[in-house]
Amino acid sequence: DAKTTQPNSMESNEEEPVHLPCNHSTISGTDYIHWYRQLPSQGPEYVIHGLTSNVNNRMASLAIAEDRKSSTLILHRATLRDAAVYYCILTSNAGNNRKLIWGLGTSLAVNP
Amino acid sequence: DTGVSQNPRHKITKRGQNVTFRCDPISEHNRLYWYRQTLGQGPEFLTYFQNEAQLEKSRLLSDRFSAERPKGSFSTLEIQRTEQGDSAMYLCASSFVVGQGYSPLHFGNGTRLTVT
Repeated sequence: DAKTTQPNSMESNEEEPVHLPCNHSTISGTDYIHWYRQLPSQGPEYVIHGLTSNVNNRMASLAIAEDRKSSTLILHRATLRDAAVYYCILTSNAGNNRKLIWGLGTSLAVNP
Repeated sequence: DTGVSQNPRHKITKRGQNVTFRCDPISEHNRLYWYRQTLGQGPEFLTYFQNEAQLEKSRLLSDRFSAERPKGSFSTLEIQRTEQGDSAMYLCASSFVVGQGYSPLHFGNGTRLTVT
């Protein structure tokens, strides 16, 4: 599976939008982009996934660059509960989540 | 849907002892995964089951580690002759996959193992 690169940490203020970037320059045509997050002392939690088109759900939006070499997870209004480590992961097809390769993720701090 | 349940939440053991962890997945989920996570790192894949069949094991899963999923329901992960390097959070996840359809992983809150 292709590798992803994320900033180690980011900071945001409560109720402001947050844009979490992910670079995946070696992505292949069949790789899906997944985002999970992990709150302190909890297991990871699915956030969103996509292939080519931008995606929206109740938690976040995923903006995928036209060349697919990067993507951005968008939290529209950060809350204190959004403070977590966010992982951007690629898999070779949507169902192939049997061994997601996790990096170090981005640790997001949200200031009140 | 009560989510994925893992027991115990914490385990402290002495080096050389055997430990066993249990995972109860979401009831209708056919896939079950074990991951290991050390401090400051992302989770690392250990193994996964499709129903009761163990389909893949990571090289991280040495011969001291064994996982089972009898009857395709709950799963156990046993570590024999524990070493200090086994200290980590052990995460279980489940999903329901049909063909190439997508199903996100649902994780439990893990079992934190400390080997002294």
